[in-house]
Amino acid sequence: AQKITQTQPGMFVQEKEAVTLDCTYDTSDPSYGLFWYKQPSSGEMIFLIYQGSYDQQNATEGRYSLNFQKARKSANLVISASQLGDSAMYFCAMSREGYSGGGADGLTFGKGTHLIIQP
Amino acid sequence: DGGITQSPKYLFRKEGQNVTLSCEQNLNHDAMYWYRQDPGQGLRLIYYSQIVNDFQKGDIAEGYSVSREKKESFPLTVTSAQKNPTAFYLCASSMGDPRRGYTFGSGTRLTVV
Repeated sequence: AQKITQTQPGMFVQEKEAVTLDCTYDTSDPSYGLFWYKQPSSGEMIFLIYQGSYDQQNATEGRYSLNFQKARKSANLVISASQLGDSAMYFCAMSREGYSGGGADGLTFGKGTHLIIQP
Repeated sequence: DGGITQSPKYLFRKEGQNVTLSCEQNLNHDAMYWYRQDPGQGLRLIYYSQIVNDFQKGDIAEGYSVSREKKESFPLTVTSAQKNPTAFYLCASSMGDPRRGYTFGSGTRLTVV
């Protein structure tokens, strides 16, 4: 079974500062993927970034980067130069990989971190 | 633009009634998923389908049923057997490339009255 742990229920950060959201995971699968999603108050889930377990380099997408430390089983999200619009819930998730014949069998989510950016 | 449409946005149900939540996608994705979200919690997988006419139970399937008769549609029925159905329900789809992420709908908030 897969498990995601997010230990920060809430964070307050000053605008323009960098933010690190913590995520640790546990799995016995040899191949897996790690995801971060943003959920604004409206409720939709917005895909931010993905890291494959065999990727050699940390993933980056604009202001988002994923600090992947496989030996420590951590996949922290780093947001550079935070903006007021970054205020939202952030979820770390993982999936098994290596399946054939269609999509994967879904994501396992952590409980999330509520990020509030202050002006 | 392609996406996932969930309807209705808000739904009220009396105890003992079945209710069906709609999920339609025009992304041509093979796989579709239903998740449940409770306040202060992450998402939990209810059911998923990787291909038409086939679906599998997720972690919390008891009290729910699904069908996948068309690639575009994956409706979820919340039955009277579901003990605590009040929650936010999210539908998602995937094209099988994890680097594209999973695409989510805007959700249906179900309240039992």
